[in-house]
Amino acid sequence: SSELTQDPAVSVALGQTVRITCQGDSLRSYYASWYQQKPGQAPVLVIYGKNNRPSGIPDRFSGSSSGNTASLTITGAQAEDEADYYCNSRDSSGNHGVFGGGTKLTVL
Amino acid sequence: EVQLVESGGGLVKPGGSLRLSCAASGFTFSSYSMNWVRQAPGKGLEWVSSISSSSSYIYYADSVKGRFTISRDNAKNSLYLQMNSLRAEDTAVYYCARDHSSSWYPSNWFDPWGQGTLVTVSS
Repeated sequence: SSELTQDPAVSVALGQTVRITCQGDSLRSYYASWYQQKPGQAPVLVIYGKNNRPSGIPDRFSGSSSGNTASLTITGAQAEDEADYYCNSRDSSGNHGVFGGGTKLTVL
Repeated sequence: EVQLVESGGGLVKPGGSLRLSCAASGFTFSSYSMNWVRQAPGKGLEWVSSISSSSSYIYYADSVKGRFTISRDNAKNSLYLQMNSLRAEDTAVYYCARDHSSSWYPSNWFDPWGQGTLVTVSS
């Protein structure tokens, strides 16, 4: 299967920890990457590979993977973390990219 | 500073063609794979196409294969997307995105992204 499935919406209280998940068969073979997108803005890479953060991404963002599920964890969520989050990986051929449907994170 | 600036979007009739461009600056363009990703209004992200640094490897989403052509000109630091036989469902903001790290093969890790250019396919 070349699909990645995400929960449409998740909420978290300010300062608490939230996990956003992504499921798909291809995640058994390939790492997921995660993108944050705020309204009217281009996406920003926040996690790639096993658990790598690009320069400038706060260390409260982390990634993990188990079986067919990849997770993005935000430890101590901030108001500015409210955004849409998309997972991305390769499909079963390894040559095509595929995105999850996105998760809207609300920080209460 | 790394910059990606897309251009070429606009309104086109179904069946028409459009060529998108992405001007890159602030990095060694010829060392990085490049990508196009689109986002329909109010919808999620969709990977469209990737091209390796030397154009040796080119891949397309099934939804655009045979209609879209990705290319690059390393001498001009530019990425292109030729879109033919456009359909209403191709209406989207098209983003140009660089691979996160320089490599001979597309990594599927997109960083950074341009601001996008809107393509509207409508009669």
